[in-house]
Amino acid sequence: GAGVSQTPSNKVTEKGKYVELRCDPISGHTALYWYRQSLGQGPEFLIYFQGTGAADDSGLPNDRFFAVRPEGSVSTLKIQRTERGDSAVYLCASSTGTGGGGELFFGEGSRLTVL
Amino acid sequence: SQQGEEDPQALSIQEGENATMNCSYKTSINNLQWYRQNSGRGLVHLILIRSNEREKHSGRLRVTLDTSKKSSSLLITASRAADTASYFCATDRSNTGKLIFGQGTTLQVKP
Repeated sequence: GAGVSQTPSNKVTEKGKYVELRCDPISGHTALYWYRQSLGQGPEFLIYFQGTGAADDSGLPNDRFFAVRPEGSVSTLKIQRTERGDSAVYLCASSTGTGGGGELFFGEGSRLTVL
Repeated sequence: SQQGEEDPQALSIQEGENATMNCSYKTSINNLQWYRQNSGRGLVHLILIRSNEREKHSGRLRVTLDTSKKSSSLLITASRAADTASYFCATDRSNTGKLIFGQGTTLQVKP
């Protein structure tokens, strides 16, 4: 597709449930990023991948959060035993990754609501 | 954690006026970027300025960077109602795309 695609756009779940959020980056982009944005705040970094490997996962808040990118394209963010505090918009971004840094292209986000 | 602080938090101006937003940050950086966000969803990249640059222009946007003061400003000239959005600065310390965002400035441009 032309841009970064995220599914679902909205997810409502109950506390304690397991959730998966999917990100399909721009074709050919080697770097993929996950951010989380709470209401009224700027996005907070969670994790980024260079190819298939997680280059930096220092932003994951705890071990209930995990992300994979098995084939170096699509990525899935997995949240176990969801808590109400996990409610936020989860943003995915990708970049060419060549030479590092540069412009990030963001998806529209997945809004997660934990009841 | 948030790297930067943005000032003002909210700004309301008339169409045609200029809008200036400021960003301060705490650590050394490789580059600083500005993003725009409508309706709390996806962010759109506006401009990137590297640590060895002092000023950059893109259309109606002008960005300055003062690394000695650890601050940046975004100027939007001749604003339009369509510029209404939230604007975020983001710093990249290591040129990896791992961005640390500020809290954002909410801009309202009245027609």
